[in-house]
Amino acid sequence: DGGITQSPKYLFRKEGQNVTLSCEQNLNHDAMYWYRQDPGQGLRLIYYSQIVNDFQKGDIAEGYSVSREKKESFPLTVTSAQKNPTAFYLCASRQGDQPQHFGDGTRLSIL
Amino acid sequence: AQKITQTQPGMFVQEKEAVTLDCTYDTSDQSYGLFWYKQPSSGEMIFLIYQGSYDEQNATEGRYSLNFQKARKSANLVISASQLGDSAMYFCAMREGGRRRNTGTASKLTFGTGTRLQVTL
Repeated sequence: DGGITQSPKYLFRKEGQNVTLSCEQNLNHDAMYWYRQDPGQGLRLIYYSQIVNDFQKGDIAEGYSVSREKKESFPLTVTSAQKNPTAFYLCASRQGDQPQHFGDGTRLSIL
Repeated sequence: AQKITQTQPGMFVQEKEAVTLDCTYDTSDQSYGLFWYKQPSSGEMIFLIYQGSYDEQNATEGRYSLNFQKARKSANLVISASQLGDSAMYFCAMREGGRRRNTGTASKLTFGTGTRLQVTL
């Protein structure tokens, strides 16, 4: 079945460590997105990519980095510069005028 | 300024009853889209319904309908015949810009803070 796969489901980070969250889609969508969700809040956009080898900062990009080397993959790295990384991270993709489709999310916690 | 406002942090509804979840928005664009997503406790975001700013009729999808009042800038979600499985967080979101591809906004969504719906027996 076509969809968006995020891994791992749960991730723990030590202080000063970079971690990478995986997002893979087999929907052949051009655009991909990363969101952060904190308890009791809506989603906030971290980074997005409209095409391969291109991406733009969203509203809260500081402390994060991304790459888009392949159409189906849009990994997110949470760097040590992100001082409050504990959150639920959601990846989404979209094609044309269709709604964004979301993965199941990765929950990141600090050890 | 907050662009999407959901004023109801939590709502209760009895099974088989209808419920309305409120959403107001703010934009200066003439062309925009409004979305509702459902987020169960497992965390995934499930698309429910879409309303375009130029759509003349209110959107409907099964038990979901969108009460779109453009002049009031509101896009309330109505769930009819509530079921226990409807218990979840519900988010309203807005996409600014046209329906064309590559609008320059990359169809970014702005989300509200959500409403937690609890369906009771």
